[in-house]
Amino acid sequence: GESVGLHLPTLSVQEGDNSIINCAYSNSASDYFIWYKQESGKGPQFIIDIRSNMDKRQGQRVTVLLNKTVKHLSLQIAATQPGDSAVYFCAESYTNAGKSTFGDGTTLTVKP
Amino acid sequence: NAGVTQTPKFQVLKTGQSMTLQCAQDMNHEYMSWYRQDPGMGLRLIHYSVGAGITDQGEVPNGYNVSRSTTEDFPLRLLSAAPSQTSVYFCASRKANTEAFFGQGTRLTVV
Repeated sequence: GESVGLHLPTLSVQEGDNSIINCAYSNSASDYFIWYKQESGKGPQFIIDIRSNMDKRQGQRVTVLLNKTVKHLSLQIAATQPGDSAVYFCAESYTNAGKSTFGDGTTLTVKP
Repeated sequence: NAGVTQTPKFQVLKTGQSMTLQCAQDMNHEYMSWYRQDPGMGLRLIHYSVGAGITDQGEVPNGYNVSRSTTEDFPLRLLSAAPSQTSVYFCASRKANTEAFFGQGTRLTVV
């Protein structure tokens, strides 16, 4: 069945360092992947997405890498700031699917 | 645009009571979903809809009903509340093959 899981439940980094959050997925039919950020007491918010015809996509301070061979997704945050402290979820879906499957989340803590 | 609006923000129910969690979106999104999030856990899909008049079950549908009579609204009904349904509930909407927009959540406690 479908599953999306994260390798590490928590990640602690020093302010200014780069952060890497990993995600594994199991549905080979998935062709659309999204990273969300959830701050305490709020709903998840979109960060960046990538489609299966790409290996890498960059945003502002964030990069998503997709390795379809090993079904692995990662989110890289450059120059991590205290405001980046949150829970990060990956989600996967496929074309015209009505639903997305979420991983369990990684809690990122940024130390000043 | 208000985005995705959920009401109420907080609710306490007694075991056996029923209630409806409201969700409305003003972005003309075809797809809407309900998730529950337990402490330290990810989002688990309860029910979803790909358009008015169409709903389907997610991962944890038991004890919940939904309907989609309009594009804008997607209410979630708890038929007979149980303590196991204590959770934070999120509604989300999106267009096909795009990212989801989430509401602020409803924190439900069943005693």
